[in-house]
Amino acid sequence: SYELTQPPSVSVSPGQTASITCSGDKLGDRYASWYHQKPGQSPVLVIYQDTKRPSGIPERFSGSNSGNTATLTISGTQAMDEADYYCQAWDSSTVVFGGGTKLTVL
Amino acid sequence: QVQLQESGPGLVKPSQTLSLSCTVSGGSISSGSYYWSWIRQPAGKGLEWIGRVYTSGSTNYNPSLKSRVTISVDTSNNHFSLQLSSVTAADTAVYFCAREPYSLVDYFGMDVWGQGTTVTVSS
Repeated sequence: SYELTQPPSVSVSPGQTASITCSGDKLGDRYASWYHQKPGQSPVLVIYQDTKRPSGIPERFSGSNSGNTATLTISGTQAMDEADYYCQAWDSSTVVFGGGTKLTVL
Repeated sequence: QVQLQESGPGLVKPSQTLSLSCTVSGGSISSGSYYWSWIRQPAGKGLEWIGRVYTSGSTNYNPSLKSRVTISVDTSNNHFSLQLSSVTAADTAVYFCAREPYSLVDYFGMDVWGQGTTVTVSS
């Protein structure tokens, strides 16, 4: 079965750029999506189709996907961005999530 | 604006069948092209996709759960449902429903989520 691998945690200072990676076999040949989830809340879509932002998502969120790695980049990270982040792709009509990355802003 | 709301028993006994419903409000479940999905999250852990149903009734399931899962859509009552049989404590989790726009070419992710409902499997 297809697997997506994320680092368990990433730390960033306020105002700096955070990058969260997601690795999978030939992931660049598939579309990647990203979600953030704050404690006790539902996930929220922040990037879809590798690079696109849904309405209402700040411009500081951006995405890329090439080769075996998709990357979520948060520019000018704010304290409110502290959350768990999950990548997602699909393979053979099944949806796969990465294990999640806890982003700490300190 | 479409909203989703999960409902169902919060406690299920081992070996029984977990049954949840997701009610769609603010729009018709049969309008447009969407998959309607179920995802779960054990406490302190990551997201696990369970499966999805298309408006036509066709389904896709997580291979690891496929033998125990049934997802169906009820267009007349604007909801879709999850049944998970032979549950064990490992099925204890928060269960989310979500909408996933369908396209032959593009992929739009899961753009609308319910608030989630906690299901505990215990005797």
